[in-house]
Amino acid sequence: DGGITQSPKYLFRKEGQNVTLSCEQNLNHDAMYWYRQDPGQGLRLIYYSQIVNDFQKGDIAEGYSVSREKKESFPLTVTSAQKNPTAFYLCASTPLGNTEAFFGQGTRLTVV
Amino acid sequence: AQKITQTQPGMFVQEKEAVTLDCTYDTSDQSYGLFWYKQPSSGEMIFLIYQGSYDEQNATEGRYSLNFQKARKSANLVISASQLGDSAMYFCAMRELSFGNEKLTFGTGTRLTIIP
Repeated sequence: DGGITQSPKYLFRKEGQNVTLSCEQNLNHDAMYWYRQDPGQGLRLIYYSQIVNDFQKGDIAEGYSVSREKKESFPLTVTSAQKNPTAFYLCASTPLGNTEAFFGQGTRLTVV
Repeated sequence: AQKITQTQPGMFVQEKEAVTLDCTYDTSDQSYGLFWYKQPSSGEMIFLIYQGSYDEQNATEGRYSLNFQKARKSANLVISASQLGDSAMYFCAMRELSFGNEKLTFGTGTRLTIIP
């Protein structure tokens, strides 16, 4: 079955540690996105990528980094520079053009 | 700059009534797509409906319809005959389609609660 897989579902890290969230899709989609969602809030765009080896900053990129070495993979690293990393992180993918985005199940990151 | 505005943080609606969730957008692009998603308490994002900027007819998908008023830059979601299972967060989103920009931006959402 095609889809987007985010792992792990829950992640705990100590303050000051970098952590990488995984996002894999087998839908052959060109564009991939990372969003952050805080409790009761909307989705804020962190980074997005339209093709392999290229990505653009979203609205809240500070303290995060990404890579797009393969079409199906778009990992997100939450660095120690991110001041308040505890949040729900959603990954999405879509073909280029006029179609809806497909989402993973999300990763809930808690930094203690 | 792209911007989506949802002005209703929360709404309470009696079961079986219709409900309209507001969404306005701002873009200088002529070609764009508008989307509505539902997010239950489980956190998953469920795609509901899509409207293209060049579509002349309002989109409909079952109980969902999109009231698209291009001149007013609004894309309101209408849910007919609401059900208890419609209780969730609802997000409006826009994607500009000019070459080189596939940015997909979401509004802050509306929490809909259906009352039995």
